[in-house]
Amino acid sequence: GQSLEQPSEVTAVEGAIVQINCTYQTSGFYGLSWYQQHDGGAPTFLSYNALDGLEETGRFSSFLSRSDSYGYLLLQELQMKDSASYFCAVNTGGFKTIFGAGTRLFVKA
Amino acid sequence: NAGVTQTPKFQVLKTGQSMTLQCAQDMNHEYMSWYRQDPGMGLRLIHYSVGAGITDQGEVPNGYNVSRSTTEDFPLRLLSAAPSQTSVYFCASSDRGQSNQPQHFGDGTRLSIL
Repeated sequence: GQSLEQPSEVTAVEGAIVQINCTYQTSGFYGLSWYQQHDGGAPTFLSYNALDGLEETGRFSSFLSRSDSYGYLLLQELQMKDSASYFCAVNTGGFKTIFGAGTRLFVKA
Repeated sequence: NAGVTQTPKFQVLKTGQSMTLQCAQDMNHEYMSWYRQDPGMGLRLIHYSVGAGITDQGEVPNGYNVSRSTTEDFPLRLLSAAPSQTSVYFCASSDRGQSNQPQHFGDGTRLSIL
């Protein structure tokens, strides 16, 4: 079967750095995406990695190692508004996307 | 700038009833998809479409039908509602031309089956 594993919860302090890991086992791989979802809201796109390495977008960075079937999302200078759920998702081909169960991030003052 | 619009936002059905969840996008995106989100299980792909007239099954297609007669619309039909279909349903669209293929999600339909 296909699976994406990520921690269920992470807690960090405002201003700190937090890393959310994602390991995947899928029948095909074309890229790893990250989405943010606030309670009661819709998922919003954060980043995408198709090749190995680090992609940086402001306070958020995403990393991919295809040989390890592993990626992570790095959030810097945490703010209270970053408290949300974060999902990794794999494009398995033909626009088919499989999502992880999500990591709930709690940011404390 | 509407993006992806889903209707209704909330719906309560009785077991055995049928209904259609509507999804429309105004971005001329080729790709559209339907997901359901249950607590602790993330988003699961129900059906998707890569263009008008073309649809395919996702991870959990049973009990649902879709059609794509236009680029803009991608309705999801529940044939005979069951309590197990109580969930939040999200529609998403994506531009095939963008290499990173970000999916744009609607606000969701919260569906309860009694």
